[in-house]
Order: sequence, then structure tokens, then C-alpha cells
Amino acid sequence: QVQLQESGPGLVKPSQTLSLTCTVSGGSISSGGYYWSWIRQHPGKGLEWIGYIYYSGSTYYNPSLKSRVTISVDTSKNQFSLKLSSVTAADTAVYYCARGSFATGGFDYWGQGTLVTVSS
Amino acid sequence: SYELTQPPSVSVSPGQTARITCSGDALPKQYAYWYQQKPGQAPVLVIYKDSERPSGIPERFSGSSSGTTVTLTISGVQAEDEADYYCQSADSSGLWVFGGGTKLTVL
Repeated sequence: QVQLQESGPGLVKPSQTLSLTCTVSGGSISSGGYYWSWIRQHPGKGLEWIGYIYYSGSTYYNPSLKSRVTISVDTSKNQFSLKLSSVTAADTAVYYCARGSFATGGFDYWGQGTLVTVSS
Repeated sequence: SYELTQPPSVSVSPGQTARITCSGDALPKQYAYWYQQKPGQAPVLVIYKDSERPSGIPERFSGSSSGTTVTLTISGVQAEDEADYYCQSADSSGLWVFGGGTKLTVL
């Protein structure tokens, strides 16, 4: 059973960089056939796709966040990471990592989510 | 930017059929996906590629597509189906987008 777990600081100061890591267990990031994504949800609001990375390192980002987002992968640790720079209070959200499947096209496994608050 | 439009809320009585729609200009050319999200939990994929159901999802969940609208149908709604439902698809360049979500209330 594939499991994803987000980790990182729950509090980030304005103008700083938000950094989160997703650790994948029960399956290898390098196995192919999947893309590894970050999705966020502002408090009481809907879902917003941030971007995804393939195990080869190819990345695709939401155009609205592209200038501030970097997603990277560490296949040796079976992890992928999110960096969001120059954060403001508007970046306060629950951040999810998720696995997308090329076979089904949808996000079939999700982490539990982690709340990141941007505040001084 | 591309948008998927869902009704904010849908209400049904137990045992009835709930239909949640999602509209978007690219839907005739892009598959749609549906997620169920209960309070404090991560979303769960309930329909993929417009109408396919992942293993473990009850048969009462079904999906359909017609033109620029896709529909999630829940037949014989149960109290446990009360949740937020989100559609997801891609724009013309293949970038993912989610609908605004629909709160399903079981009366």
C-alpha cells in the first residue's frame, strides 16, 4: 500500500521560503508511470494544484505560482519536495502531496496534508 | 485562466439520487476526475476518466460526460456520502485545474 507523508515547518514568516518534503513508502518514485504532485487548500476553500514532477526531474507548474515554485525529487530517499518563495499570508493553506497515475490520470494516493501558516 | 464550474451545494434525502455537475470548455477533449473530501481528511478519488470507478469505490458512484459538462451521480445516497466533491480536469495545454467544489448535504 502506497503511503505519502508531508513534513516541514508549520509556521513560515512572510517573505521567506516555504519548504516541504513528501516521503513515499510502499512504492518507488523511480518506478515510472506516476507523477508526484503538490496541491494546496486554503482554509475553508477549494483545492489548488501547485505542480508536479516526474521521477526524471521534468516539472510542470501552475502558471499562477510558477515564478515562486520549485519542485524537486530525490530518488535515493524516495522523496520529493516543494519550495515556495516570497510567501505571504495568502499562502497559508493545507499542503498535500499526491501521486498522479498516468494509467488513470487522477491523483490516486494522497498524504494527510500539513497546515502551513504564514505569519510573523 | 481555465475554470471548472460546480454548484456550491446540493442537497438530497437518504436513498435519493444526487447529481453534481462540473462545466468547462475543455471537457469535450479532456477527461474529468472526481474526488470526495470529508472534513479534516484528504480527498479520495471516486471517478477517473469521466466514468471509471477505482477499486473499493461503491457502485452507487458513477460518472458521465456530455459536451462541456460532466456529472457525478450518487445513487441511493447514504449519510456517509455527505462531503465536499471536487471535479478535476486539464486545460488545453494539459495543466491541471480543480473545480470550486460542491458540498453535498444529506438531509
